[in-house]
Amino acid sequence: QKEVEQNSGPLSVPEGAIASLNCTYSDRGSQSFFWYRQYSGKSPELIMSIYSNGDKEDGRFTAQLNKASQYVSLLIRDSQPSDSATYLCAVNMNSGGYQKVTFGTGTKLQVIP
Amino acid sequence: EAQVTQNPRYLITVTGKKLTVTCSQNMNHEYMSWYRQDPGLGLRQIYYSMNVEVTDKGDVPEGYKVSRKEKRNFPLILESPSPNQTSLYFCASSLWSGLGNQPQHFGDGTRLSIL
Repeated sequence: QKEVEQNSGPLSVPEGAIASLNCTYSDRGSQSFFWYRQYSGKSPELIMSIYSNGDKEDGRFTAQLNKASQYVSLLIRDSQPSDSATYLCAVNMNSGGYQKVTFGTGTKLQVIP
Repeated sequence: EAQVTQNPRYLITVTGKKLTVTCSQNMNHEYMSWYRQDPGLGLRQIYYSMNVEVTDKGDVPEGYKVSRKEKRNFPLILESPSPNQTSLYFCASSLWSGLGNQPQHFGDGTRLSIL
């Protein structure tokens, strides 16, 4: 079982629709959860961080965390063509007193005009 | 300007020739990390460091070395590079708090080709 799993996509949504991206993780001790956006050939950039159960909203983006079910999701409302990118889920996992960050393989989102 | 600086951005070299990719951050971050990114495999952590002189292996450490002698610098060393280390490499840094890692700031990446 992969430590952090994402559907690779591509996920295609029409412009103006809601895009829903999902991520599951295996380590119940995980503390910090992040969504990054990465355009082709560029470095990842932070979209959202979330640390406690529930929803966190920032503009058109909402992150949802459910630690009991070990999943974290990202909703993008009013999707725009500029949102077309790969979205990476990252989880901060405990590892014997050290802390490592594990990324999912990413979900490619295509917003169709 | 807060940033993570990697050098070089591009490098083509040959098998067995030692190389170092430098990484420097100006944000006084405790946590620094190296990743490689390969098609279909995503970002995989090579090594990370929680502070000066504190480093640990990530998921794919074989063939790499790191050091953290100063807080701002975290070089990645390939003692004897091989073609399977051809990849896109990212350095990242973040604050460390009681919640664990804060969001990471990434460098622009180093595209490394080993012939």
